Amino acid sequence: EVQLVESGGGLVQPGGSLRLSCAPSGFTFTTYWFHWVRQAPGKGLVWVSRVNGDGSDTWYADFVKGRFTISRDNAESTLYLQMNSLRAEDTAVYYCVRESYGTGRRYFEYWGQGTLVTVSS
Amino acid sequence: EIVLTQSPGTLSLSPGERATLSCRASQSVSISYLAWYQQKSGQAPRLLIYGPSTRATGIPDRFSGSGYETDFTLTISRLEPEDSAVYYCQQYANSWTFGQGTKVEVK
Repeated sequence: EVQLVESGGGLVQPGGSLRLSCAPSGFTFTTYWFHWVRQAPGKGLVWVSRVNGDGSDTWYADFVKGRFTISRDNAESTLYLQMNSLRAEDTAVYYCVRESYGTGRRYFEYWGQGTLVTVSS
Repeated sequence: EIVLTQSPGTLSLSPGERATLSCRASQSVSISYLAWYQQKSGQAPRLLIYGPSTRATGIPDRFSGSGYETDFTLTISRLEPEDSAVYYCQQYANSWTFGQGTKVEVK
């Protein structure tokens, strides 16, 4: 069974940092690319970042470029999102998402349960 | 950026009825790289449909997707109370963007 378990969320002050983790299981970690997607309270889904299979290529939404860093540790089968210079508008549930596998563009096949990040003084 | 606009905002229907959800793109979505996700209250989103008419594993055939270029539709035939959720469309042709969601209430 495919599972994605996020952790690391919590309350942080504006300007602070937080590192989210995602521990997938039930499949071969290195085969897949991953994303982070966020959802502010009561709002819709917004794509944040993507990483390829070996971690050599990354993509970011403009609103997090220079502040967030996505990475992966293939030896530990763990995905990360390092979030720096946090703002109140970064408050959201952050979902770890596994991309589908195959040729062409790929959709978001499996989602974790999410971890809540609250940025407030 | 491809902007997706979903309509209606809310759909209130009775069990057994058919729901038709629309997703319109600001520009053509190449090779119909469009997906639909279901999010029940307090839960993570779940993939329903991709490509834009292929059901994901375990999704009942009451759910069907169609459309191309800029106009896409999710149809839920024979609604059940468990179908109450917010439904999001997403394009994955050019980066990744979501529609704002359609809330379906079945009661």
